[in-house]
Formats: sequence, structure tokens, C-alpha cells
Amino acid sequence: EDQVTQSPEALRLQEGESSSLNCSYTVSGLRGLFWYRQDPGKGPEFLFTLYSAGEEKEKERLKATLTKKESFLHITAPKPEDSATYLCAVQAKGRSGNTGKLIFGQGTTLQVKP
Amino acid sequence: GAGVSQSPSNKVTEKGKDVELRCDPISGHTALYWYRQSLGQGLEFLIYFQGNSAPDKSGLPSDRFSAERTGGSVSTLTIQRTQQEDSAVYLCASSVVGSGNTEAFFGQGTRLTVV
Repeated sequence: EDQVTQSPEALRLQEGESSSLNCSYTVSGLRGLFWYRQDPGKGPEFLFTLYSAGEEKEKERLKATLTKKESFLHITAPKPEDSATYLCAVQAKGRSGNTGKLIFGQGTTLQVKP
Repeated sequence: GAGVSQSPSNKVTEKGKDVELRCDPISGHTALYWYRQSLGQGLEFLIYFQGNSAPDKSGLPSDRFSAERTGGSVSTLTIQRTQQEDSAVYLCASSVVGSGNTEAFFGQGTRLTVV
């Protein structure tokens, strides 16, 4: 069964304290791995798509990396405005073709204190 | 519009009533998805549309749930005889195509509360 597990569930950082969020996945065939940011009361906001092991993408203080079993979201020198829930999702290759369906992890709630 | 639009943003209904939730996707996006996010839970896939057809309905939790899409655009998710366990945030997303590795853009969601 395709599955996504994120850790930790919650993370508290001081402003400027770099850290990483983990996303472990089990999927029959990976078409893509997605990172989203979700603020309270809002829908998820797209951050990155990674397609193959070894791929990396960066946006401001965020960098996402991918291996064959997991993905990391590295946050460098975070600011309070980076506080949010970060969601990881995989898109699997289906037996009857790809539907684009995303399988989400439970998310990591990040709090950055000034 | 500029983004995915969902209405209403909040809905409170009595147990046993029917509700309709609306999603207006990004113009030109052929794929549309419905997800459900319950308190403390991750996003749960409900249904996928490609154009007006729904090739994947595997996530609909019971036959009380149905969805349709017309004109390749607006979609409506209908929940009949609502139950308290239906209380959740219902999120709609759209993407350019359903197959291939393209990102999905989400609306703000409809918060449904069944009392």
C-alpha cells in the first residue's frame, strides 16, 4: 500500500536555527513527490515537485531533496513567517494509468519563535 | 479567476440534511480533485475528474457522497443525509492535466460542521 510518513509531527525552532523535516514514502512507482505549505484556515500552497532521486530544488530559505525512500525539506535560518504546517505528498504510478491523485502525509507543524 | 474558488467557505448543517459544496477551478485546468481534511488527519483523496468524467472515485467514503463536473469547469460535491463524522474541511484542487507530473493548486476549502 502506498504510504507517506512525516516526522517530526511538530517542530519548534528559534529564529535563525536551521533544521530539516523528513518525509518517508512507500510507493509502487513514484511519479513525483510534492511539498506544500499550509497556513491555518487556508488551503495548501504548492512549494516544490521532485521527480527523481538526487534531485534538489530551492526557494528562498527552503531546499527540498529526494532519495529513493525519503525526502527532506531543509529550512535555513528560518523566520517567524515560516511558521506553518508543511505537507508532503506522493503521486504514484497507477496500474490503470496515472490519475494525478496525491497521497499525503500527516504534516509537520513548524513554529519559529523570534 | 486567479485561483481555485470554493463556496461556501463555511457551512453548518443539521444531521440528516443534504449539502452541496462548489468548486470553481483555475481557468484551463482540465483536472479537478476533491480532498477531505479532518481535524488532526492528513488530506484524504475523494475523487478525481478529467474533464467532465471521473475516472477515479475510489476515495468517496460512502454512497451518500457524489460529485459532478459540468462544462469541464465547475464541480459540485454533494453529501446526502449528513452525519457528524462528515464534519471536516473539504478542499478542491485543480491542475493542468491529470496525468504527468504537474502540481495541483488548492482552494481555501469549505469547512463543514454537522450538528
